[in-house]
Amino acid sequence: IAGITQAPTSQILAAGRRMTLRCTQDMRHNAMYWYRQDLGLGLRLIHYSNTAGTTGKGEVPDGYSVSRANTDDFPLTLASAVPSQTSVYFCASSLEYNSPLHFGNGTRLTVT
Amino acid sequence: QKEVEQDPGPLSVPEGAIVSLNCTYSNSAFQYFMWYRQYSRKGPELLMYTYSSGNKEDGRFTAQVDKSSKYISLFIRDSQPSDSATYLCAMSAGSGGGADGLTFGKGTHLIIQP
Repeated sequence: IAGITQAPTSQILAAGRRMTLRCTQDMRHNAMYWYRQDLGLGLRLIHYSNTAGTTGKGEVPDGYSVSRANTDDFPLTLASAVPSQTSVYFCASSLEYNSPLHFGNGTRLTVT
Repeated sequence: QKEVEQDPGPLSVPEGAIVSLNCTYSNSAFQYFMWYRQYSRKGPELLMYTYSSGNKEDGRFTAQVDKSSKYISLFIRDSQPSDSATYLCAMSAGSGGGADGLTFGKGTHLIIQP
């Protein structure tokens, strides 16, 4: 089934640890994105990539890094997790940077 | 004033009722308008996508945009318990609804009572 796969689905992480959230899409979409969703704050863009090999910062990039080595994969790394990074993280993709988004089912991350 | 305002609800209606979900916005440059549906513990899925003003219908769903009032609506006819979800509006000034400049509402939690 075509779509976006995120892993893990949930994770509890000790503060200070490094963590990589994985995202893979099989739709051959050029653009990919990472959002976090928090109660009362809604969806906020962390980082994006308009095409393989390029990345950009969104609204809340601090503490996160991304890479886009190929079309299908867009991992999000927390170098040293802090409790304020407790959230639900959604990966999304779109055919082009100006097309509507398709979302994965999220990773629930708790930083203790 | 927030750029996009959406009542968080919950909005609870009986099965079969007509549901009206709304968002107001302040940026007159917005011209692409979307509605996403998000079930519990799932990602948002695109429900409706419209450009500029007017109505768009898809089955039981109708999206309406009034740019003069900076107001968009999603109507659900013959509501079903399976419509119970959180509905997020989203809008952008350009870029066809892509993430560049895309602003989401915080979502309205809808409950359809059997």
